[in-house]
Amino acid sequence: QVQLVQSGAEVKKPGASVKVSCKASGYTFTSYGISWVRQAPGQGLEWMGWISAYNGNTNYAQKLQGRVTMTTDTSTSTAYMELRSLRSDDTAVYYCARKRGYSFDYWGQGTLVTVSS
Amino acid sequence: QSALTQPASVSGSPGQSITISCTGTSSDVGGYNYVSWYQQHPGKAPKLMIYEVSNRPSGVSNRFSGSKSGNTASLTISGLQAEDEADYYCSSYTSSSTLWVFGGGTKLTVL
Repeated sequence: QVQLVQSGAEVKKPGASVKVSCKASGYTFTSYGISWVRQAPGQGLEWMGWISAYNGNTNYAQKLQGRVTMTTDTSTSTAYMELRSLRSDDTAVYYCARKRGYSFDYWGQGTLVTVSS
Repeated sequence: QSALTQPASVSGSPGQSITISCTGTSSDVGGYNYVSWYQQHPGKAPKLMIYEVSNRPSGVSNRFSGSKSGNTASLTISGLQAEDEADYYCSSYTSSSTLWVFGGGTKLTVL
């Protein structure tokens, strides 16, 4: 069965960076993309970007350009999302999701990133 | 402000049907048949319920259906059940540099 297992919660200070991992299993990793979506406390979903696990091509949401980097390690079927220059409004649950066509069909359990001084 | 507009809340009694709307523009909902719907229970990850406007993934109840007219997509849930109480989000592929946008979410209450 398809599973996406994410790394644990993080607490960071403003200005720091965070790197969240997402380990995939149950399917051929390089056959699908991985998208990242975040959800601030009590708020809706926000698409952050996606990466092709086949060739590493990426697309990022315009508002995050320059602060976010998505990568994959095909040897371990793991995707990573790094967000730099963290601000308090980056506090959110970060989800990875398998991109199938134009939708996201399997999701990780989420990783809470708290940015606080 | 979310790119797609959804009602903040809807409600219905068990057994009834409800419809949640999702309004965008010709650059997203109206321009592509790439609207998806996600169900999210409190503290849980979203779950794909509908993709490409009206297709149900394997395992999703046929009580859930999707449609689109112009710049507005809709999710209909028939035969409401208590377990359907959740937040629902629409999403669309878009022609902008931010490739996907979500609606603000709709809280469904089963009375």
